[in-house]
Amino acid sequence: ILNVEQSPQSLHVQEGDSTNFTCSFPSSNFYALHWYRWETAKSPEALFVMTLNGDEKKKGRISATLNTKEGYSYLYIKGSQPEDSATYLCAPLYYGNNRLAFGKGNQVVVIP
Amino acid sequence: ETGVTQTPRHLVMGMTNKKSLKCEQHLGHNAMYWYKQSAKKPLELMFVYSLEERVENNSVPSRFSPECPNSSHLFLHLHTLQPEDSALYLCASSQDRGPLLQPQHFGDGTRLSIL
Repeated sequence: ILNVEQSPQSLHVQEGDSTNFTCSFPSSNFYALHWYRWETAKSPEALFVMTLNGDEKKKGRISATLNTKEGYSYLYIKGSQPEDSATYLCAPLYYGNNRLAFGKGNQVVVIP
Repeated sequence: ETGVTQTPRHLVMGMTNKKSLKCEQHLGHNAMYWYKQSAKKPLELMFVYSLEERVENNSVPSRFSPECPNSSHLFLHLHTLQPEDSALYLCASSQDRGPLLQPQHFGDGTRLSIL
């Protein structure tokens, strides 16, 4: 069982503020990392698939960085809006095991 | 609209009932997945089908029986479930099963409650 940790588990952000949170995972045999956004009563939606150390991806006000050597990824939300309220899931993938190992998620609530 | 449709959205059943969950994808993908999410736990992979062939069974009890008649449809047949099986069941699809460099596309899920 892989230890994928997302912290903080829950955070409240004032509208307009920027925020970030962390996904930590074992670095040995790492292959790729998926990020998903999951809004309440909807389906998880893919944000990024990242593979390279130092990789940075951006989608609108959301961006993510990846450190494969130390086993972590940061997700940033710039100028949070109420529609950013969701649970953000990370899931690493490893060589020889073609199965995503999901973390419990970072639950973000943006306060208007 | 994610292109992955699950029915029903909610299901309440007794422990002796038999029911089925259905998933349909309209994305032309060739791999489909069943996931389970229990309260306060991460998403847990149950089954993987690639080109209609089951390629992974993540130690799931036999009271859950998947079926993939074609690349667009996936079923999860349920019988004699236990109260701890109450959870959200998500279906997903992707273009290639391996390696998973393409994102998965999820349905809205079926919220299952076992009485």
